[in-house]
Amino acid sequence: GENVEQHPSTLSVQEGDSAVIKCTYSDSASNYFPWYKQELGKGPQLIIDIRSNVGEKKDQRIAVTLNKTAKHFSLHITETQPEDSAVYFCAASIGTGNQFYFGTGTSLTVIP
Amino acid sequence: GAVVSQHPSRVICKSGTSVKIECRSLDFQATTMFWYRQFPKQSLMLMATSNEGSKATYEQGVEKDKFLINHASLTLSTLTVTSAHPEDSSFYICSAIGPGQGNTEAFFGQGTRLTVV
Repeated sequence: GENVEQHPSTLSVQEGDSAVIKCTYSDSASNYFPWYKQELGKGPQLIIDIRSNVGEKKDQRIAVTLNKTAKHFSLHITETQPEDSAVYFCAASIGTGNQFYFGTGTSLTVIP
Repeated sequence: GAVVSQHPSRVICKSGTSVKIECRSLDFQATTMFWYRQFPKQSLMLMATSNEGSKATYEQGVEKDKFLINHASLTLSTLTVTSAHPEDSSFYICSAIGPGQGNTEAFFGQGTRLTVV
């Protein structure tokens, strides 16, 4: 089955700096890669996603890149703000109603 | 985006009793819903896949008789923790496959914090 690895497990950055979280996956059939933000005591919230036919996607301060050959994808947050502090999870899916395989999470702390 | 509502958000129950958690897709129909369990500072562990009108598919190691799943309609799936014990205390989260492109996007409920005393 699919195996998703995520690094780093914790990340601290100064406000205004950029944060990068990386994930690798093992199943070349995976074609959908969402990123979720989870605040304490709440469910994960989808913040951005990318499909295998695209190499990069950007939404304001958040961007995701995908390298299908190397089987890795990354989340980039620019101009970080304290409210970006949360746990971020990457996931992979082969799509069309199939289950998601989650990374182990990255606890991001943005220091004011 | 699509909204998934989970209820209750918190529940405390006595050992030996059963607890039902509801997961509703509010503005879309979800043929597939997933139930996860999450321990503190850990990732989401898939418990089962719930399909409307059919039996749930449980992951290895998850007791189907203890965690009863019913997907009675296209907008509602329920998870019942039967004969709960303190070790069942955890954060339970549901998700539903939304109406996005290619029927791939998953939206999560707010989670249910279960405490068994």
